[in-house]
Amino acid sequence: GQQVMQIPQYQHVQEGEDFTTYCNSSTTLSNIQWYKQRPGGHPVFLIQLVKSGEVKKQKRLTFQFGEAKKNSSLHITATQTTDVGTYFCARSNTGNQFYFGTGTSLTVIP
Amino acid sequence: DGGITQSPKYLFRKEGQNVTLSCEQNLNHDAMYWYRQDPGQGLRLIYYSQIVNDFQKGDIAEGYSVSREKKESFPLTVTSAQKNPTAFYLCASSRGELGANVLTFGAGSRLTVL
Repeated sequence: GQQVMQIPQYQHVQEGEDFTTYCNSSTTLSNIQWYKQRPGGHPVFLIQLVKSGEVKKQKRLTFQFGEAKKNSSLHITATQTTDVGTYFCARSNTGNQFYFGTGTSLTVIP
Repeated sequence: DGGITQSPKYLFRKEGQNVTLSCEQNLNHDAMYWYRQDPGQGLRLIYYSQIVNDFQKGDIAEGYSVSREKKESFPLTVTSAQKNPTAFYLCASSRGELGANVLTFGAGSRLTVL
């Protein structure tokens, strides 16, 4: 398929520690999107990156798109219990198909 | 409020039975999608539709069927040919415009085969 690879699959952190998840593709991406799924919930769109080297911030979340547009990362500074969930990256193509990474499940230990 | 409604939320099926999952959106989105979610495997695309009366297979379409007779509706039928249908099914929609395309998801339907 055309999924993107995402690591790690699971991450446990103490509350207040930082967290990073990585998304990698063997081909150049036209864009990368990030979604968050809370336990028992459904994925919710967080952000989209389209430019080479782009960096966007949402409060404690920092999103990066690699210079070669083949990788992306999501970094959370000083995690809180509200950050618990699974974070997915996704790519879309010219046919408006969306392909998701396998996700990183984040557990925050109070 | 605009959104996507999936029903039922939970469904139990006996082996050999077909079941249909409902997905309705009032966002006026052109494109609609069905994904299957299994633990540790992320979201896999089953079918998608860019416009009424047209749909395409995704990566795992075998054992599933869809229809798109109305813009707001995209029901998914899980047939008896699907060998391992127990999963969480997510319906999504998008405006269908390149460069401004993000997915809005419904709350999901959890299917269990007994």
